Amino acid sequence: QSVLTQPPSASGTPGQRVTISCSGSSSNIGSNYVYWYQQLPGTAPKLLIYRNSQRPSGVPDRFSGSKSDTSASLAISGLRSEDEADYYCAGWDDSLSGWVFGGGTKLTVL
Amino acid sequence: EVQLVESGGGLVQPGGSLRFSCAASGFTFSSYAMHWVRQAPGKGLEYVSGISSNGGSTYYANSVKGRFTISRDNSKNTLYLQMGSLITEDMAVYYCARGYTAMVSSGHFDYWGQGILVTVSS
Repeated sequence: QSVLTQPPSASGTPGQRVTISCSGSSSNIGSNYVYWYQQLPGTAPKLLIYRNSQRPSGVPDRFSGSKSDTSASLAISGLRSEDEADYYCAGWDDSLSGWVFGGGTKLTVL
Repeated sequence: EVQLVESGGGLVQPGGSLRFSCAASGFTFSSYAMHWVRQAPGKGLEYVSGISSNGGSTYYANSVKGRFTISRDNSKNTLYLQMGSLITEDMAVYYCARGYTAMVSSGHFDYWGQGILVTVSS
């Protein structure tokens, strides 16, 4: 059972907009930044969003992040086949004094 | 170019020990916290351990506390993970990752190694 809760799966067709949620608590999302990582099949995770909504250089602006209270969301617009991957939210938990990840969401592009 | 290259994984029996390393290049290693994150076969990411830039502060997930030891040698630009009393649940791909800041508790993991497989089996 992960500290951060994500839906196990999500799907969309090319060009669509999809969102992936991440639910936490006051000790993690509610008081700290949220980060999102993308893991393409067979590869290492890659930073997608940092500090709730910031994109590292090279990440397309089709990807956006937001946070409200104890929940966060990752939105992908103009869905493309290469976006098919696992997506993880993460953050620091003050109660656990450690980093926590969501269980991951497998995105399928239909 | 930032590079993180893990080495030293392999097959180990339950109850055994293993030490592997992560060689860093392309950045000032001594300025950044470093972390280990693992992924069991078919499962999600699990944070394992972190160490501050100067090695003075460490963190361990409850699942590995007392069995694993993280360390670093800033003169060799290398991160280590000493694993002991291994159990089957420790079987995973282990990734080293660079922290965005010098502290374990802040920042994100901005660069990742390719991962190294640890198999725990008799």
